[in-house]
Amino acid sequence: DAKTTQPPSMDCAEGRAANLPCNHSTISGNEYVYWYRQIHSQGPQYIIHGLKNNETNEMASLIITEDRKSSTLILPHATLRDTAVYYCIVRVANRDDKIIFGKGTRLHILP
Amino acid sequence: EPEVTQTPSHQVTQMGQEVILRCVPISNHLYFYWYRQILGQKVEFLVSFYNNEISEKSEIFDDQFSVERPDGSNFTLKIRSTKLEDSAMYFCASSGVGHGYGYTFGSGTRLTVV
Repeated sequence: DAKTTQPPSMDCAEGRAANLPCNHSTISGNEYVYWYRQIHSQGPQYIIHGLKNNETNEMASLIITEDRKSSTLILPHATLRDTAVYYCIVRVANRDDKIIFGKGTRLHILP
Repeated sequence: EPEVTQTPSHQVTQMGQEVILRCVPISNHLYFYWYRQILGQKVEFLVSFYNNEISEKSEIFDDQFSVERPDGSNFTLKIRSTKLEDSAMYFCASSGVGHGYGYTFGSGTRLTVV
């Protein structure tokens, strides 16, 4: 019952920007877009989240379209350590709306 | 950066035995969660816990499962009578106001039921 659609896999050359798309056409006005990643059976790791403005932190940038129906996670200079499954999640930013993981995008960083 | 700590990292148990998986959430977080991931499958929500009681649980979280916060620092998941299909990675998570109530996950316990 994930509310997002992501490609199952993507490749990116090491050192290049990795752009991971996510469609969330049914997003509600009070729902945020969150990105997590899971590196080989480790616990999921929070990356970034946003409502409607673009966001940037030390890990990544999040670009959300004006209609909020899709977004792109950008890893500006991908390294081999960025090889992981990336999850795009839509939820309300409160304690009651639990995180539901879909299948995500498996990102392969190629040397 | 604060971490969620889980022990043990790997546990092997015989079918029918009870297991307790332990977690130490981030100290100022008030909301706690257990998830599991069967090999090759999605990460699945099991239960959320707040104010010393279960807030929400999934269909997976049946009477064989229970959670407890026995003291001010630990959060445990107990499986009373393990089955082969309980073999999975179990992840604990906690959240507070930071990161928009985003979760910080532990590194998981790999449970193998034989």
